[in-house]
Amino acid sequence: GAVVSQHPSWVICKSGTSVKIECRSLDFQATTMFWYRQFPKQSLMLMATSNEGSKATYEQGVEKDKFLINHASLTLSTLTVTSAHPEDSSFYICSAPRSGSTDTQYFGPGTRLTVL
Amino acid sequence: KQEVTQIPAALSVPEGENLVLNCSFTDSAIYNLQWFRQDPGKGLTSLLLIQSSQREQTSGRLNASLDKSSGRSTLYIAASQPGDSATYLCAVPSNSGYALNFGKGTSLLVTP
Repeated sequence: GAVVSQHPSWVICKSGTSVKIECRSLDFQATTMFWYRQFPKQSLMLMATSNEGSKATYEQGVEKDKFLINHASLTLSTLTVTSAHPEDSSFYICSAPRSGSTDTQYFGPGTRLTVL
Repeated sequence: KQEVTQIPAALSVPEGENLVLNCSFTDSAIYNLQWFRQDPGKGLTSLLLIQSSQREQTSGRLNASLDKSSGRSTLYIAASQPGDSATYLCAVPSNSGYALNFGKGTSLLVTP
């Protein structure tokens, strides 16, 4: 099946620093990718939709200036958490459907962010 | 807005038992429903995808059913094993596109 990778798998950073998370579709093209966040004991919540060649769309309550998304190519989307704070500590997961497909989405393995 | 609810939130059963996990959704205008498995600290593994035109899907010991009109789906696990212990998530596409709305999951523990 299709593979989506994320890098890094985990990161620890100091409060106030910025962290970049990469999401790559390894064997298919994805014009759209999704970024989710999962707090402990909670379900996945959609943060934003990353669109290749255009601006990302953010869900209500998600600060676009804090969570910068860049869909640089048909296989790469990046999420940058700027000026991270402890409350940003979470599990971030990306997903991507194959372009033109409405079926199964392929999820990355997730990135565990811990902000000290 | 589509809301997905899963019951029970947690379940503990002895090995060998058959069990049922429940999922309900508020907007029946979905085009598919997926069940995922998530191990602690890990990403998601897709288990079953049911299209809106289907009533059930089977994969090994797993069987998922879908009743769109009532907004319900069930995941049936036969002859449970300790390796089945994980959190099971139900998800449906959002009203606006391909992004998924997830339930909070059912945390399953199968004891030897």
